[in-house]
Formats: sequence, C-alpha cells, structure tokens
Amino acid sequence: GAGVSQTPSNKVTEKGKYVELRCDPISGHTALYWYRQSLGQGPEFLIYFQGTGAADDSGLPNDRFFAVRPEGSVSTLKIQRTERGDSAVYLCASSSRRGGGGTDTQYFGPGTRLTVL
Amino acid sequence: AQSVTQLGSHVSVSEGALVLLRCNYSSSVPPYLFWYVQYPNQGLQLLLKYTSAATLVKGINGFEAEFKKSETSFHLTKPSAHMSDAAEYFCAVSEYKGGSEKLVFGKGTKLTVNP
Repeated sequence: GAGVSQTPSNKVTEKGKYVELRCDPISGHTALYWYRQSLGQGPEFLIYFQGTGAADDSGLPNDRFFAVRPEGSVSTLKIQRTERGDSAVYLCASSSRRGGGGTDTQYFGPGTRLTVL
Repeated sequence: AQSVTQLGSHVSVSEGALVLLRCNYSSSVPPYLFWYVQYPNQGLQLLLKYTSAATLVKGINGFEAEFKKSETSFHLTKPSAHMSDAAEYFCAVSEYKGGSEKLVFGKGTKLTVNP
C-alpha cells in the first residue's frame, strides 16, 4: 500500500512569507507526527495528533508554527513570517497506535525541504 | 526526559567488515528503542525496534541490535557490510506519557562503506 506522502518535496520562500506543508498519512493510521530535521541533526519532535486533535504540541518552537488535521487524515503544517532559521527538512510520520505505550512503529514520509532565503 | 547519544558522527568500514554503530540511552522508565536508516533524500525507514521482548533484536537487511540494560546501550551491528548499507543511521527512544507519544532521536551516524 501507499506510504506516507508529503508535498511539496522542496519549498523555497523568502523571509517573512507564509508557507504550508502537507502530509498524507498511511490510510487508517490515527496517529500523526511532525518532526524537523536540521542539517547534521536528528529529527526533532514538533507535534503529535491523535485523530483530529493535537495531543502534544510541546515541540512547536514558537507561535509562528501551527498544524491542523481537521478530518483526522491529512495534516498541514503552517509557518507564518518565515525566518532563515526555519530552513530544515520537515518530516511527517504516522502510526496505527495499536500497541500504544511507546511501542508503535512510526512510518516516515520523504520530507519537505524548506529553504528560507 | 529521555535522551539518546550516538558515539561517532561518521563511521567508515570496508566492504565485508563488521559494522558497529553505538547508541546509549537515558530513560527514567523502561525504554523502547528504535533504529532507523535514512538514505539520501529519503525519509526514515525502520530497521528494528526493542519493545521489551527479546534483548537481541533482528531487523531488516541483516542488522541486529542488543539491548543491554546494565550498559544503557542498544548498539547496532551487521557482520558483513555491503556497499548498499551506506546511509545515515539514527537511534531513537520512545517518550510516552500522559497520552503523548514521540520519538527522541540521536544526532545520527553516517556510515561509509569502502570497496
């Protein structure tokens, strides 16, 4: 079956602009995660959705970042007033949450590479 | 909070040689540990995971890892490296509390395989 998909694969924008990054999770997966991977670093958690609601948004760096998942499937990460420091690869992952308690496998998409000029 | 340390940001081996990638974790609860591989311009792919069943975990592509509680380690090994193993490898620990669940990753180890 289809894996996690993310669009666009690359996004170049100018400082101060607004961007939206989209994630299509694996069909039937109720849990969805966003991570940010800066150059030379491991992915860092941003936000976790269980269904339509954000169960944990503690990783969002500031209020310029916002994410939604209105129908419990597709999610959009929104960044306002982009800054050069926002340049990174944004990864989305989904899981079925069958096991729970930290044991579920997260399946990752290919990421969106965001470059802020 | 949980954390992961990967010793060695770059590891270079010859084709056919043993691969050993080190991961140490810090966790206040029984840890669930994962190894992911990332090929250039691709997302992360799960190699294997430890969820408190067997301490020796076998994964895809001939990789395995052993959970050692006394050493707080979860090192990744492969007996014989192949050129196709060249990639970046990430160790992660699952942090779960209060209905939230997330992975905490190490900084990664880039594996180079020389012919």
